[in-house]
Formats: sequence, C-alpha cells, structure tokens
Amino acid sequence: DAGITQSPRHKVTETGTPVTLRCHQTENHRYMYWYRQDPGHGLRLIHYSYGVKDTDKGEVSDGYSVSRSKTEDFLLTLESATSSQTSVYFCAISEPYQETQYFGPGTRLLVL
Amino acid sequence: AQSVAQPEDQVNVAEGNPLTVKCTYSVSGNPYLFWYVQYPNRGLQFLLKYITGDNLVKGSYGFEAEFNKSQTSFHLKKPSALVSDSALYFCAVTLGTDKLIFGTGTRLQVFP
Repeated sequence: DAGITQSPRHKVTETGTPVTLRCHQTENHRYMYWYRQDPGHGLRLIHYSYGVKDTDKGEVSDGYSVSRSKTEDFLLTLESATSSQTSVYFCAISEPYQETQYFGPGTRLLVL
Repeated sequence: AQSVAQPEDQVNVAEGNPLTVKCTYSVSGNPYLFWYVQYPNRGLQFLLKYITGDNLVKGSYGFEAEFNKSQTSFHLKKPSALVSDSALYFCAVTLGTDKLIFGTGTRLQVFP
C-alpha cells in the first residue's frame, strides 16, 4: 500500500464522541487526501491537503475537520460522530502533476 | 459538473473469457481517466491511466483500457479473465486538478 498506514484500522464509537483518524506516509508526497467509501457512492473526497498547513474542503466535508502539521501525517477528525459517518475511510497521497493517487489500507468506522 | 458512470453493479464472466467493465464520463474539458481495483479489506490499487496520446492504455495484471472521446467512454478490458481478477473496480476522472471523481464501482466475478 505504497508506504501509507492508517490508524486505527477498525473503530467502534458512540454517537456524539470525537474521533480522530490518522494517515501516515513514508513517501514524502506533498499531496494528501481523505475519502470515504459507501455502497452506491464509490469514494467521495472529504478533505485534501497540498502541503503542511494547507488544507481545503472536498465534496462531503460537513462534520469533518483535518490537520496537517507535518508532511507525513494527515489527521481526520469527526468532532461529534454521527451514525451517518459510519463508513470506510481511505487516505491517499500523490505528487504534484503526477495525477496518480496511492491509497492506504483504510479504516472501518462504526458509529453506534 | 464532472461525473463518472459505471452502469453495471456486477459483471460475471467465466475464467478464460474476455472481460469488459464499462465506464463513461462527463467533463467539460480534457479528462484524465483512471482505473483502480479493490480487493476485499484492502485499499485501492492503481491499474492504469489515460492522460494523453495513444487511446489504448495498457496497465497492470494484463488489463487495458480504451479511451473513446466521441463516446466519452473508458472501458476496462482483459483478453482472458482469471479467478484472481475477481474484485471491485473503480473508474475515476479528473481535469488535472488532483481531485478525483469516482464512479460507484463494478464488482467483477470470475467463475472457474
């Protein structure tokens, strides 16, 4: 999975609790992305980052925030988890002008 | 708005037969097109991409795809299917902005 790890790999949490997912890369790629995968929707972009402290919203950003204080780490936070955020979350990386994104193994999140 | 359609939720094919997984796109410009494959409980793996040039693109594991601008299609093909090709396949498009738009995915089932 191209030097990308995600933690935790599985998490069960309760509605209303904060949750942080971590993406860590060893490829020194500048761009990083968070997607969620849901049946019937494919993958949808939540947030992305073009560099340290340079982040922006994607298609489905409501209820999520991100931070990137180091090139290698991109954190996704659900401030107050809801059942609609039950999903599989994928991190991806790429280099500028390379187009191809490489994906991590995913985090399966269940919000009860 | 950009969009990608994968009209078949599932494709079934016998081992040794040729396979096609369909993808059509809608963008207002020159698209960059991708195919990714996802095996169970894994992240997405890059298969191939079309940026420019030859309309027939060859990728990993014997897969190829043909870019057809007039039909706005980018179908994935393989001359002889293997049982190990059984997986979930995603088509994606970008206009070079690094933000991928994914189709909803097609499950390929290859029967022995």
